[in-house]
Amino acid sequence: GAVVSQHPSRVICKSGTSVKIECRSLDFQATTMFWYRQFPKKSLMLMATSNEGSKATYEQGVEKDKFLINHASLTLSTLTVTSAHPEDSSFYICSVAYNEQFFGPGTRLTVL
Amino acid sequence: RKEVEQDPGPFNVPEGATVAFNCTYSNSASQSFFWYRQDCRKEPKLLMSVYSSGNEDGRFTAQLNRASQYISLLIRDSKLSDSATYLCVVNAMNRDDKIIFGKGTRLHILP
Repeated sequence: GAVVSQHPSRVICKSGTSVKIECRSLDFQATTMFWYRQFPKKSLMLMATSNEGSKATYEQGVEKDKFLINHASLTLSTLTVTSAHPEDSSFYICSVAYNEQFFGPGTRLTVL
Repeated sequence: RKEVEQDPGPFNVPEGATVAFNCTYSNSASQSFFWYRQDCRKEPKLLMSVYSSGNEDGRFTAQLNRASQYISLLIRDSKLSDSATYLCVVNAMNRDDKIIFGKGTRLHILP
């Protein structure tokens, strides 16, 4: 099955800074990757669908200018949280879907 | 023991039948449980949360058994459109408060 990695696994930053999270499909060429966010004790929420070579598709209520997604290659998608604020603190997870779902290990973002 | 385990299936069930599958989890401190549905090559979508008292939504019933550390999903009067993969998701209350996904159970409803 596909192996998905994320980097970093944990990041702590000051309010106002931008944070980039990488999602890599290590053994599978993924034209589509999904970005999720999970707040503590809450369910997973789809943020956007990352499409290789084209614009990402954002879910309703997700600010595309705040959560920049770039899917420049078939193995790498990046999510940049711009001007992060404490309310952006969350667990961000990416996934690749092909017959079954393969999730990355997630990135824990804490904004001070 | 894996953190979250599911029978991968596939479960081949005739239309109209009742089907049930379980998901076991290893962390007894887990607090939040969910069932997701995933269609082929699509992102998973939340089907229902699983509460301690159990919950029902139409033809779907989810239950939690803390003593035996498993959750279950029951589908009554199954429809062709129920064919999908059902993911069990557990919020493991460890240091990272990490969500743990099961690998999913594939369900095929047969006409």
